[in-house]
Amino acid sequence: GAVVSQHPSRVICKSGTSVKIECRSLDFQATTMFWYRQFPKQSLMLMATSNEGSKATYEQGVEKDKFLINHASLTLSTLTVTSAHPEDSSFYICSARPGTSGGNEQFFGPGTRLTVL
Amino acid sequence: GNSVTQMEGPVTLSEEAFLTINCTYTATGYPSLFWYVQYPGEGLQLLLKATKADDKGSNKGFEATYRKETTSFHLEKGSVQVSDSAVYFCALNAGNMLTFGGGTRLMVKP
Repeated sequence: GAVVSQHPSRVICKSGTSVKIECRSLDFQATTMFWYRQFPKQSLMLMATSNEGSKATYEQGVEKDKFLINHASLTLSTLTVTSAHPEDSSFYICSARPGTSGGNEQFFGPGTRLTVL
Repeated sequence: GNSVTQMEGPVTLSEEAFLTINCTYTATGYPSLFWYVQYPGEGLQLLLKATKADDKGSNKGFEATYRKETTSFHLEKGSVQVSDSAVYFCALNAGNMLTFGGGTRLMVKP
């Protein structure tokens, strides 16, 4: 149980285009989902927290107009990287936390590697 | 604020050697503590956790004990295998937010 999927696993795009990454909780309802960014050989950096049906809360230094997060249902959150540039190339990982009955543990997706040419 | 400090890697060991990866934390209140493992090109997998002082988390031969007096949660394994080669992250959960350490890369040679 507690499986989180991400799609796509890898994406290559041209500079200036937008890319959408999906994060799904497959066997539980996630009231909260998190988006992290990981640079090579570095730790995870929390980008934003999204709660179903409300606006995401972004960490300091993360541009909300560039990284659009939508948490439209209890099983799906999307991250859209708008007008992507090479410096946006990174490994993006989402996690999901079940409702209050499931405790506060986060379950992680397998990650999406974005390469912007 | 909350923080987690791990020993820097890489840690290189021979198969069947004893492993220790140190982790210390700073937090207000009583956080839960976690070890996650990340294999190349993959996301994070929960390895083990402990939710209160003196709890010992264990899984797949790995174990870590929540030491409140030393604010530590060191990861140990008695005999590592090549398949244990990965990056290990220590993390704490306080106020429903995860704070990660910098990660420690483990390389196990046959």
